[in-house]
Amino acid sequence: GEDVEQSLFLSVREGDSSVINCTYTDSSSTYLYWYKQEPGAGLQLLTYIFSNMDMKQDQRLTVLLNKKDKHLSLRIADTQTGDSAIYFCAETFTGGGNKLTFGTGTQLKVEL
Amino acid sequence: DSGVTQTPKHLITATGQRVTLRCSPRSGDLSVYWYQQSLDQGLQFLIHYYNGEERAKGNILERFSAQQFPDLHSELNLSSLELGDSALYFCASSVDGGVGTEAFFGQGTRLTVV
Repeated sequence: GEDVEQSLFLSVREGDSSVINCTYTDSSSTYLYWYKQEPGAGLQLLTYIFSNMDMKQDQRLTVLLNKKDKHLSLRIADTQTGDSAIYFCAETFTGGGNKLTFGTGTQLKVEL
Repeated sequence: DSGVTQTPKHLITATGQRVTLRCSPRSGDLSVYWYQQSLDQGLQFLIHYYNGEERAKGNILERFSAQQFPDLHSELNLSSLELGDSALYFCASSVDGGVGTEAFFGQGTRLTVV
């Protein structure tokens, strides 16, 4: 079955760039997503990439996809304290409909 | 605000009991998805309904059931509750069930089984 892994924790200083990584096992991924979860809040979609793309940039966010290595990353430029949250990568895959398979989540802490 | 409403926000109940979680999707959305977030299992897909019909099932226990009503709201019923069912239950909705259609998540219902 599908398996999506992330490192548990990342700490950065305000103003630095953050890079959150994700690896997945399913080679039939269709879309890959990044969601943000703040305490007491639901999941907010930040950005997504179609599986035949290598990169997508959206303001401070850059998504890189290495399909050969099944590796997805999210770079947040000029990280702010408001970016502190848990970040989940997720995928949909061929035959899975619009069901999201989520990673384990990375807690990002931004320090002054 | 995603436009997806879940009630109640918090629920505390005893083992063996039954509870119903409610979800109102965004206006116009035909698909509703349920997810469970627990410390043990992370975020897991439970079930997907589209326009009143079940579309896909994930790791949903037999003690759990769901339905989507003609007005498109959905309910997740959890019975014979166990301590391990304590979790945050999310509902999400999308305009249709197509792959890549953005799913909007509610704020969740936190269930505590004591």
